[in-house]
Amino acid sequence: AQSVTQLGSHVSVSEGALVLLRCNYSSSVPPYLFWYVQYPNQGLQLLLKYTTGATLVKGINGFEAEFKKSETSFHLTKPSAHMSDAAEYFCAVRVNSGYSTLTFGKGTMLLVSP
Amino acid sequence: DTEVTQTPKHLVMGMTNKKSLKCEQHMGHRAMYWYKQKAKKPPELMFVYSYEKLSINESVPSRFSPECPNSSLLNLHLHALQPEDSALYLCASSQDRDVSTDTQYFGPGTRLTVL
Repeated sequence: AQSVTQLGSHVSVSEGALVLLRCNYSSSVPPYLFWYVQYPNQGLQLLLKYTTGATLVKGINGFEAEFKKSETSFHLTKPSAHMSDAAEYFCAVRVNSGYSTLTFGKGTMLLVSP
Repeated sequence: DTEVTQTPKHLVMGMTNKKSLKCEQHMGHRAMYWYKQKAKKPPELMFVYSYEKLSINESVPSRFSPECPNSSLLNLHLHALQPEDSALYLCASSQDRDVSTDTQYFGPGTRLTVL
């Protein structure tokens, strides 16, 4: 069965600092991986996704993530945090196996201080 | 355009009321989803429609009744809900669940409060 684990329910950074949100997956077949962001009282917005091809994926708002099969990881990074990045971030996995569904991690709340 | 719209934005209802949530997309997507999200938790899948047919029902109580009148529209009919059903209800759509790289796009959600 597929699953994702997000390390840290809360991550705090200062404005301008590096953002690193961790996601590890478990899948017996090649996974497809996604990062979504949720601002307060809003829906989920797709930040980026890894399906096939290049392992370094660039997304919106300056975020990127690298798929590392050897480490079963798909960590989300941004070189310089902005106050507007404060939100909940969800990592999700979908496997290419029949009618598979999206499995979400528990989420990481990113807090950005001035 | 990757827009999924949901109405209403907020809904307050009593336990004896009947109400409906509406979701619409005009991206030509053939799969549509309902999720329930409680505070500080990830979304939980409720229903999946694929080509206007119900393909997944995650053991949701019958007081929730989904309907897919056409490929662009998805409804969730609510009846005799309980206070614990209060949550954010999210709709999503995707191009085709049979495609390996299928990606879901979410609407803004309906905040439901059951009194």
